[in-house]
This record gives sequence, C-alpha cells and structure tokens, in this order.
Amino acid sequence: DAGVIQSPRHEVTEMGQEVTLRCKPISGHNSLFWYRQTMMRGLELLIYFNNNVPIDDSGMPEDRFSAKMPNASFSTLKIQPSEPRDSAVYFCASIGETYEQYFGPGTRLTVT
Amino acid sequence: SQKIEQNSEALNIQEGKTATLTCNYTNYSPAYLQWYRQDPGRGPVFLLLIRENEKEKRKERLKVTFDTTLKQSLFHITASQPADSATYLCALPVSGGYQKVTFGTGTKLQVIP
Repeated sequence: DAGVIQSPRHEVTEMGQEVTLRCKPISGHNSLFWYRQTMMRGLELLIYFNNNVPIDDSGMPEDRFSAKMPNASFSTLKIQPSEPRDSAVYFCASIGETYEQYFGPGTRLTVT
Repeated sequence: SQKIEQNSEALNIQEGKTATLTCNYTNYSPAYLQWYRQDPGRGPVFLLLIRENEKEKRKERLKVTFDTTLKQSLFHITASQPADSATYLCALPVSGGYQKVTFGTGTKLQVIP
C-alpha cells in the first residue's frame, strides 16, 4: 500500500487566494482526519470524517476553512480566502479497525 | 478539556543509554494512550498503544508504562541510537471519544554518538 497520499507537498500563495489541499487515505480505512501543525500550537485536529460523513468540525478555525469527502478515497481541505496566519503544515491521517493513525507526508502551506 | 504535558525542552542523551520521556495528562482517565515518532519534514508515525488496564507494553527496544493514578505515561528507549533522534508525541482520546485524540506538543530527543 502507498500509504496516505497528500498533494501538493508544498504550496506558496498570496493572501486572499483560494487554496485546496488533497488527501487520499489508505484503502479500506473508514475514518479520515485533517490536522494543522505549527510551532506555536503543535498538532491540532481540524475535522474528521467517519464513512465519508463529517463527525466533528469543532477544530475548524473559521468559515474560511471547509472540508469535503465525496467518496472513501478522496478528501479536500479548502481555505478561501487564505491569510498569512494560515501558514502551517497540514496533515491528513486515516484509521482502520484500530486506533492507530496513519499520517500522510503533509502539505507545507506558505501564505504571503 | 484534556490537557497533555510533555517536556518541551529537548532531551540529549548519550548513545547506548536509556532515554525516558514523560507524558502527563489532566482531567479524565483515557481508555488508551498512544506514542508517535515524528522526524523533521514528515508526518507522525505510530509506535505503541497502551490501554488503561495495561501497566506496561514493549516493542523491541521500546517500553511504555501507563499509570492511571499518577495520570502519567513513560516512554523508554533502551540502548538508544543516533537513529532514534526525533520528536516523540503522546496522544490521548478526548473525553467520551475513541478515535478523536489530542496530541501533546512532543519532546525532541537527540542521541549523541
């Protein structure tokens, strides 16, 4: 298995632009998590899905952030409009039958 | 909400020695606790899970203890090697949940040859 796949690996954009991050979970895993990691705040859960349904989005910072999971093999995290304070590494993780989370390589987002 | 404390200062240790990292938590007692390793520029990698009814768990050179009275987990790496240098994160499920976890800020371990 290729593991959790994220794209792009790096994204540099200007303030106000729309950013879309993509994630492909491990096949057969039924739960997917989006995290954001910064030096100041560590690893924060933004939202998680179970069987493609959003279960908890309490970590989504504000309405500028949205996430979708149209099917079991694909999810997106969108920021519109982006701001410099959104600069961070965004991780996607998936879980199967156990509680072990398998993380993707992350997307490093820089908003100038 | 659950608070997790890991030593934010880096831990430097001589190769061959045992490294011990600490994870303290407050509030309710979680059903399990996990430890992850994170290398620079990479996502966290799962290492071990210990359940509330388990006192100790081992995997190769790794050992985890879980003291629900002290609200503390210790993570040991025996015979440490420079390749063990990384940041180690503990994670606990949130109150009433099983899949959703809160991560500690991690402790950076440096094993000196």
